[in-house]
Amino acid sequence: GAVVSQHPSRVICKSGTSVKIECRSLDFQATTMFWYRQFPKQSLMLMATSNEGSKATYEQGVEKDKFLINHASLTLSTLTVTSAHPEDSSFYICSARGGADTEAFFGQGTRLTVV
Amino acid sequence: GQNIDQPTEMTATEGAIVQINCTYQTSGFNGLFWYQQHAGEAPTFLSYNVLDGLEEKGRFSSFLSRSKGYSYLLLKELQMKDSASYLCAAMDSNYQLIWGAGTKLIIKP
Repeated sequence: GAVVSQHPSRVICKSGTSVKIECRSLDFQATTMFWYRQFPKQSLMLMATSNEGSKATYEQGVEKDKFLINHASLTLSTLTVTSAHPEDSSFYICSARGGADTEAFFGQGTRLTVV
Repeated sequence: GQNIDQPTEMTATEGAIVQINCTYQTSGFNGLFWYQQHAGEAPTFLSYNVLDGLEEKGRFSSFLSRSKGYSYLLLKELQMKDSASYLCAAMDSNYQLIWGAGTKLIIKP
């Protein structure tokens, strides 16, 4: 299947700082990228959907000023967690798809720990 | 509302067969996905069904009945490495994925 690379895989940051997570589609053009959050033993929670060149669509309850998403090109989307707090500690996963009705491929995930 | 139901946990024996069921209710339908997720890792794609019937892919098969809003994932010749969570997701009319909570599959020797 197609390859989606997410970086970094693990990050520890101090409260109040910002963290940027990158998601790249390596061998296809991702018209849509999704950002998920997953708490331990829970299902994926969609945070936002981004289409290349347009603003991300955030799910209800997700603060767009705190979780900044940029989808500047067909192969790269970034999620920036601003002014991180310990409760932001979670597993963040991106996925990308080339067309509307095709499967989405997932990045490796980023485990964020805010101390 | 939109909803996906699948069992929370299942246990099976190495070498056996297990069927994981999933029922869905979505606003429109554009396909049903199954993903495998090992603990601490991101999900990996297993199958996609949009037409009724059975799709076989090696030891894994996936079935869909659109009229019943029902799918299952069938795993044959179970191996210890198949111990994982299996996520069912339905795609709605807006091509958004609606996720189930996942079924934790425990394989015993």
